[in-house]
Amino acid sequence: TQLLEQSPQFLSIQEGENLTVYCNSSSVFSSLQWYRQEPGEGPVLLVTVVTGGEVKKLKRLTFQFGDARKDSSLHITAAQPGDTGLYLCAGVGGTSYGKLTFGQGTILTVHP
Amino acid sequence: DTGVSQDPRHKITKRGQNVTFRCDPISEHNRLYWYRQTLGQGPEFLTYFQNEAQLEKSRLLSDRFSAERPKGSFSTLEIQRTEQGDSAMYLCASSLVPFSGAFFGQGTRLTVV
Repeated sequence: TQLLEQSPQFLSIQEGENLTVYCNSSSVFSSLQWYRQEPGEGPVLLVTVVTGGEVKKLKRLTFQFGDARKDSSLHITAAQPGDTGLYLCAGVGGTSYGKLTFGQGTILTVHP
Repeated sequence: DTGVSQDPRHKITKRGQNVTFRCDPISEHNRLYWYRQTLGQGPEFLTYFQNEAQLEKSRLLSDRFSAERPKGSFSTLEIQRTEQGDSAMYLCASSLVPFSGAFFGQGTRLTVV
């Protein structure tokens, strides 16, 4: 069984602060994704990383895939209230044809 | 194509009744997933299809749950003899293979009373 552990589970910060969310596993993934979900809606794909050591930037969000393809991080610079939501990491197993497994999520609240 | 659509958005049912949910994936996507999610938690894997073939079903899933994807297009998820513990958001997603990211519908919120 491939498990993804996210930390922290809850994060409450003030507008303008920086934050990092971590996603760790003992298993190797062929690719890893980050999603953001708002209450009552389905998750929305933010990014996919596939190469060990890969770094991708999406405006104030920076995503990194670990060299061994077992872990990932999401860093948000100068958080805004609109960043509030549930952040989920998910991985596809050892081949790109495997099932998609999610972490338990990080609930981020950014206070104005 | 406007994305993944799920129907209904909300379902309230009495304990013991059967319910069926429908998912229409993005048309060119050959992979379709079903997940269950409770408040503040990550989606829990239920099952997934590649075209019409069901490739894996969660061992946590009881025999009351069944899913189909006839002709590799839309999919249905049926829950028989619903229990209060089945109350959750049921999410459907689709993707291409090789995988590059999943696209989710808005979910079906099930409440068993």
